Amino acid sequence: EAGVTQFPSHSVIEKGQTVTLRCDPISGHDNLYWYRRVMGKEIKFLLHFVKESKQDESGMPNNRFLAERTGGTYSTLKVQPAELEDSGVYFCASSHPRRGTFFGPGTRLTVL
Amino acid sequence: AQKVTQAQTEISVVEKEDVTLDCVYETRDTTYYLFWYKQPPSGELVFLIRRNSFDEQNEISGRYSWNFQKSTSSFNFTITASQVVDSAVYFCALISAGGTSYGKLTFGQGTILTVHP
Repeated sequence: EAGVTQFPSHSVIEKGQTVTLRCDPISGHDNLYWYRRVMGKEIKFLLHFVKESKQDESGMPNNRFLAERTGGTYSTLKVQPAELEDSGVYFCASSHPRRGTFFGPGTRLTVL
Repeated sequence: AQKVTQAQTEISVVEKEDVTLDCVYETRDTTYYLFWYKQPPSGELVFLIRRNSFDEQNEISGRYSWNFQKSTSSFNFTITASQVVDSAVYFCALISAGGTSYGKLTFGQGTILTVHP
């Protein structure tokens, strides 16, 4: 069974540019989460999808962040325009009630 | 609201030493789940253990052991006879909303463990 995959693994952009991160959850997992770890700090929850619906987006920092999950499959997280403080590692996770929560390898975003 | 505190920012040990990583949590829920994850230098988060609030039995898995004490709201992690490959960032985490074992995780700040040869 394939795990959670994320693309790209690294992204370096300049302040003001747009970046889109993608997450492909484990097949059959309705729950999908985005988390972020800013350098040296804790991993913080951003939002939670159940299928294509946003269940909880209380952790989204501001309206420069837009998450979508088309058809309840893969999800994208767009940052537009990116700011320096958006740098960090963005993790995606998917979960199944009986199988637990699994994390992807993360996307390391650097905003210059 | 829930909170997880890992007071140790960095720990450095020499190979074969035992090391304990502390985790203290706060939640008002009576049903919750606690987790430990390992983040090796390659960056991914590796699941180590899940424990529900009704099971206070300590658990051992090879060189790893976990001590869950509800009375002190702690879920400490011990590595026995540490190895260089144990070097990583370790995160303690909590799920307490809805009483499910999947969902929004609240993470601690992480403890950087460095094991020297």
